[in-house]
Amino acid sequence: AQRVTQPEKLLSVFKGAPVELKCNYSYSGSPELFWYVQYSRQRLQLLLRHISRESIKGFTADLNKGETSFHLKKPFAQEEDSAMYYCALHSHPGTASKLTFGTGTRLQVTL
Amino acid sequence: EAQVTQNPRYLITVTGKKLTVTCSQNMNHEYMSWYRQDPGLGLRQIYYSMNVEVTDKGDVPEGYKVSRKEKRNFPLILESPSPNQTSLYFCASGLGNQPQHFGDGTRLSIL
Repeated sequence: AQRVTQPEKLLSVFKGAPVELKCNYSYSGSPELFWYVQYSRQRLQLLLRHISRESIKGFTADLNKGETSFHLKKPFAQEEDSAMYYCALHSHPGTASKLTFGTGTRLQVTL
Repeated sequence: EAQVTQNPRYLITVTGKKLTVTCSQNMNHEYMSWYRQDPGLGLRQIYYSMNVEVTDKGDVPEGYKVSRKEKRNFPLILESPSPNQTSLYFCASGLGNQPQHFGDGTRLSIL
């Protein structure tokens, strides 16, 4: 069965410091991985997906199959980055299509 | 405005009394899904639908039913609610096979 692990419940960094939100996964097939974000009083929303290899709001994430990781990174944290971040794994057992979320990491950016 | 609308936002009810949480999207998305969010467990997928009349179980489908008679609607049905279904529920829709837009959530309390 697939699993997503986000080891940190809370990550507190200073403004301008680098950010790395950790995500590890276990899945025997070829995974699709995503990061979702929920800002205070806003809806959960898709931040980025590994297949797009995009940078959104300065965040990037690289899929490392050897380490089974998909860490979310940003070189310089901003106050508006404070939010709850969820890593998610999309698996395709047979013809089905399941999405498994991690338990989330709260990022707190302080001055 | 593109959005996913869930109703009701809050509901307190009693064990065994059938209830339905509605979900509607106005983006003509084929993919829709339901999640529950519990402390320490993150979001867990209940059911998802790839298109009209096509639904499948997620990780925690027990005690829930869904239907997809029209593309825009994906109601979640609790035929005989129990206290362990007290949770925060999210509906989502998206292009392809993953959620991009989430609703505001429905907080259910089953007494």
